[in-house]
Amino acid sequence: QQQVKQSPQSLIVQKGGISIINCAYENTAFDYFPWYQQFPGKGPALLIAIRPDVSEKKEGRFTISFNKSAKQFSLHIMDSQPGDSATYFCAATGTASKLTFGTGTRLQVTL
Amino acid sequence: EPEVTQTPSHQVTQMGQEVILRCVPISNHLYFYWYRQILGQKVEFLVSFYNNEISEKSEIFDDQFSVERPDGSNFTLKIRSTKLEDSAMYFCAGRDRGPSPLHFGNGTRLTVT
Repeated sequence: QQQVKQSPQSLIVQKGGISIINCAYENTAFDYFPWYQQFPGKGPALLIAIRPDVSEKKEGRFTISFNKSAKQFSLHIMDSQPGDSATYFCAATGTASKLTFGTGTRLQVTL
Repeated sequence: EPEVTQTPSHQVTQMGQEVILRCVPISNHLYFYWYRQILGQKVEFLVSFYNNEISEKSEIFDDQFSVERPDGSNFTLKIRSTKLEDSAMYFCAGRDRGPSPLHFGNGTRLTVT
């Protein structure tokens, strides 16, 4: 019940395109859903996060869509750039509990 | 911007040896965590630490592992007798009170030979 399922495992998008990564969770006690970006040799860095009381959150080119009834959330990267090439992890947590990560999506943005 | 600092960046050790991984969290953080990431795989929770005691630990965090915050600043992870399968990146993380974001360090790459 603690799992967070993430897809796809890898994604290749052309520069200027939209990257979409999907996640699904099971634990209804989760109430905070962050996305992390990780470059090789670095720790995960918080990108954007959402709480279940809203269905969408946008920060610049990054948007989280959240569907509470389906227990799914997704990250959309608009106008994808080569500098966005990284591994993206969705995650989920409940109050005062640990962060559970998805399995990661390796994004490559080509010229 | 304050950072979580981890040392060393890379540690090579022989199987059966003890290792201590060190972390200096952001000063106003209250909750501390260790995660690990085997190469190419997901980030796995090891242990959480609050108010000078372990608040939660995973199945991975067995008797060979221990954590300490001896002086109120450094936060350490000790592996008493390393195994080959302990080879991974180990990340320290911290956060403020409430459901707030985790801030990660850049990790220590542990290689057990």
